[in-house]
Amino acid sequence: EIVLTQSPGTLSLSPGERATLSCRASQSVSSNFLAWYQQKPGQAPRLLIYGASSRASGIPDRFSGSGSGTDFTLTISRVEPEDFAVFYCQQYGSSPFTFGPGTKVDLK
Amino acid sequence: QVQLVQSGAEVKEPGASVKVSCKTSGYPFTNYGLSWVRQAPGQGLEWMGWISTKNGNTNYGQNVQGRVTMTTDTSTTTGYMELRSLRSDDTAVYYCARTAASYSGSYYIYWGQGSQVTVSS
Repeated sequence: EIVLTQSPGTLSLSPGERATLSCRASQSVSSNFLAWYQQKPGQAPRLLIYGASSRASGIPDRFSGSGSGTDFTLTISRVEPEDFAVFYCQQYGSSPFTFGPGTKVDLK
Repeated sequence: QVQLVQSGAEVKEPGASVKVSCKTSGYPFTNYGLSWVRQAPGQGLEWMGWISTKNGNTNYGQNVQGRVTMTTDTSTTTGYMELRSLRSDDTAVYYCARTAASYSGSYYIYWGQGSQVTVSS
C-alpha cells in the first residue's frame, strides 16, 4: 500500500499570499496518477488537479499542480478568501487508492 | 447534469448491517465505475473500494474487506454499499463517487452529498 504524507499539517495565510502544499508518497506513484481535492466543512470533496498537473474543469488557474515519482506539490498562487479549506492528495495508480491525511489552509 | 444522490442518515447498533444507496443520473451509467469513500468525524478520507457498473467486478480495500459488499442496479442506475458487523469506528460520512473512467484506477469528478452512518448502542 502506498502511504501518502502531506505537509504542513496546517498552513496559516492571509489572502493574497502564496500557498505551497506538499504530498510525498512512500513509493513511486504509477504514471503520476496523483489527484488533489479541496474540502470545505459539511461538503463533499471537490477535484482540483488530476494526473499531478492537469486542472479539472472550472478550477481557477491560481491552482496548479506539479511533481512526479514520489514528490508532488499543489500551489495556490494567491489565496482567495474562498480557498480556505482542507486539501487532500490521492494516488490512483495502484490499489488501494490511498488519500493523504490532508493539509488545512486557514486564515492567519 | 451529472448527479449522485445518496440515501439518508442511519443509526445502527454494533454488529448490525447498513446499506447505503447512490442514485445516479445525467450520464451513461455503465460507462463509469463507482467508488466509495468514507470520512470519520474530524478525520481524513478513506478509500473503501470500487465497483464496475459494466460487469460488477469489485476491488475492495483491506480495511473493510470481508465486511463490505458493493453492488449496482443498472435498471435504476443506482449503486449500493453494504457494510456488515458494524463497529463504533465505522461511524462516518460515506460518499459515493463516480470514476472518470470505466476502470478502478481513476480520480473522482462527481461525488454524492454523503450519508451519515452512526454506530451506537
